[in-house]
Order: sequence, then structure tokens, then C-alpha cells
Amino acid sequence: QKEVEQDPGPLSVPEGAIVSLNCTYSNSAFQYFMWYRQYSRKGPELLMYTYSSGNKEDGRFTAQVDKSSKYISLFIRDSQPSDSATYLCAMSDIKAAGNKLTFGGGTRVLVKP
Amino acid sequence: DAGVIQSPRHEVTEMGQEVTLRCKPISGHDYLFWYRQTMMRGLELLIYFNNNVPIDDSGMPEDRFSAKMPNASFSTLKIQPSEPRDSAVYFCASSYFGRSGNTIYFGEGSWLTVV
Repeated sequence: QKEVEQDPGPLSVPEGAIVSLNCTYSNSAFQYFMWYRQYSRKGPELLMYTYSSGNKEDGRFTAQVDKSSKYISLFIRDSQPSDSATYLCAMSDIKAAGNKLTFGGGTRVLVKP
Repeated sequence: DAGVIQSPRHEVTEMGQEVTLRCKPISGHDYLFWYRQTMMRGLELLIYFNNNVPIDDSGMPEDRFSAKMPNASFSTLKIQPSEPRDSAVYFCASSYFGRSGNTIYFGEGSWLTVV
């Protein structure tokens, strides 16, 4: 079993719908959680960064962390075709320079006009 | 800032040839990472440097792979000899251990095909 599990998708939604993405993990020591967006033939770019449990909102994006369930989520409101990409979760047990990140496999999202 | 710059963006080479991938990290970043991405295995950390010094190369798959960072603004990943199973996207990334720790910035990748 992988340390971080993520449904590969594809997840297809109509424009304007809410996109719901999630990752489950097994390491209870993880406390730093990130979401990266990766467009086709591009490198991943950081979307959201959260520490410990709770919610964080940034524009149309909301990240949630439930450490008791070892479950994190990313919601995209009012989805746009430009949101079509692969979304990767990443997490770490310590505050480091990125060398301790464990990535999920990514979920491919398609937002249809 | 121009971001992490990688070259070449695309490389097609024959099995047995040497491949050299290049990276210029973001100015001021003191950590540099080399990742490999495949459909089967996702993103894998190959090696990372701190202040130009290799810290952990446990992800390097074989002795055919080597990486160097001669100065703060340049790194190379070399594969010699290359094999078809090395075909993947190779990402360079950089970061600094500041307030936002854990966040790394990726280049656009080098797409390698070994035939």
C-alpha cells in the first residue's frame, strides 16, 4: 500500500460545478499538506499549503485537512475549463525544504465547457 | 523571477548514448531537487542538494545516473549509458527553507525518450 493514495481519475465535470479532490494517507506524523496543479506538459505548481488540521481558503480553492481520518481534500468552486489539469497532493511530517515531501499519484480533472 | 529553467525541454536519444539534463534554480534558493515522473511511479525524488552539496542520492536508480551542482546557479543530471526504461519526464525543482518551508518550485521538465 502506498503511503499516500489518490484516485487517478479522470474526473470530468461541467463548467461551473464544484470539483472535489481528496487524498488519504497512512503516516499519522504528516502535518504539512500541499496541493500542486500540473498542466499538461508542464511542471507542478503550488496551489495551497496548509499546516495541521482545518480549512484554508484562497479564492475559488478550499483545502481541508482531517488528521483524525488521515484525509485531505481540495475543492474548486465555479470550475472553469482552465482548471483542467492534474492535481497532486503532497505532505510531510516535518517542516523541511521540500526534501521530505511524499506525493500522491495525481488526479486528472477535466472541466467541460 | 524567471523560475526554474531546464534544458533541453525535449530529448530523443538512442539507447547507449549519454544524456545530460541541465537546470538553473531560482536565484536565492539553497535547495535543488531532481525528480523523475512516470505514469507508473508518479513523482520520484532522485537526489537533492543543499548549498551545492549532495545530501541524499538514495533515489538515484542506478550507477548510470549521476548529478552535479558546481555552483549555486547550475546543476546537471547525467545518464550514461541511457536505456529505454529511462524514458520519463525529469523535473528540477528548487526551494529555500524559509517561512513557507516544504514548498518547492518546479521547472517545466525535460521530456526524455530513449529509443
